[in-house]
Amino acid sequence: DSGVTQTPKHLITATGQRVTLRCSPRSGDLSVYWYQQSLDQGLQFLIQYYNGEERAKGNILERFSAQQFPDLHSELNLSSLELGDSALYFCASSAPSGRARETQYFGPGTRLLVL
Amino acid sequence: DAKTTQPPSMDCAEGRAANLPCNHSTISGNEYVYWYRQIHSQGPQYIIHGLKNNETNEMASLIITEDRKSSTLILPHATLRDTAVYYCIVRDDAGKSTFGDGTTLTVKP
Repeated sequence: DSGVTQTPKHLITATGQRVTLRCSPRSGDLSVYWYQQSLDQGLQFLIQYYNGEERAKGNILERFSAQQFPDLHSELNLSSLELGDSALYFCASSAPSGRARETQYFGPGTRLLVL
Repeated sequence: DAKTTQPPSMDCAEGRAANLPCNHSTISGNEYVYWYRQIHSQGPQYIIHGLKNNETNEMASLIITEDRKSSTLILPHATLRDTAVYYCIVRDDAGKSTFGDGTTLTVKP
C-alpha cells in the first residue's frame, strides 16, 4: 500500500459524458501527478500540481482538466468523453520538496470504460 | 525529455539474478534514473533510483555506467512474484516523466 488513494476504482460511462476522478496523496506530500495508461500507449504523464498550483503539463487533452485543493487532494475532470478515453488513470504523489526528482508513489488507479 | 530504450521482454529462472538493461544515451547531467515496476494493472511500484553512483536497497541494485548513458537493474534472487513490467525512467526538475514500453520480466520456476 503506497498511501495514495484513488476513487472510484471502476467507472463505466457513455460517450459525451463527464466524469471526475479523485486522488488523495500520501500524508505530507504536496505534489500530485496524473497519468493515463491505455492499452496502446503505455503510461502517459498528464499533469502535475504542487501545493495547489500547476507545476508541469504533459500530454493532457483540452477536454481534460485537473485541480488540487487546499487539503491537497486532487481531481481530474474528463469531459466530452470518447471511446478512446477508456484507460487506467493513475495518480501519484511525492515528497514536500516539490522537486521532480523526488520519488513518486502511485495509487491503485481508476479504470474508466467509455461505452 | 531524455528517452529510454529497454528490451521488450526477458526471462529469468527463479532464484537466479535478473539483470534488466536500459539505454538513456541522451540523459543530461541533472537527470536521475528511476526504476519502477508494474504488476498486472496495479499502480507502478518504486524500486530504486540513482544519479551517478551505483545504488542498492532491499529490493534491487542499480548499476549506472560511468558515462551515464545506460544502466542495469539487478534483482539478485528473482522470485515468481517479481514477474512484472519494469520501467526505466529519466526525470529532471521540469516534472515530466517519460515512461517507455518497459521490459516484461517473466520469472520461471
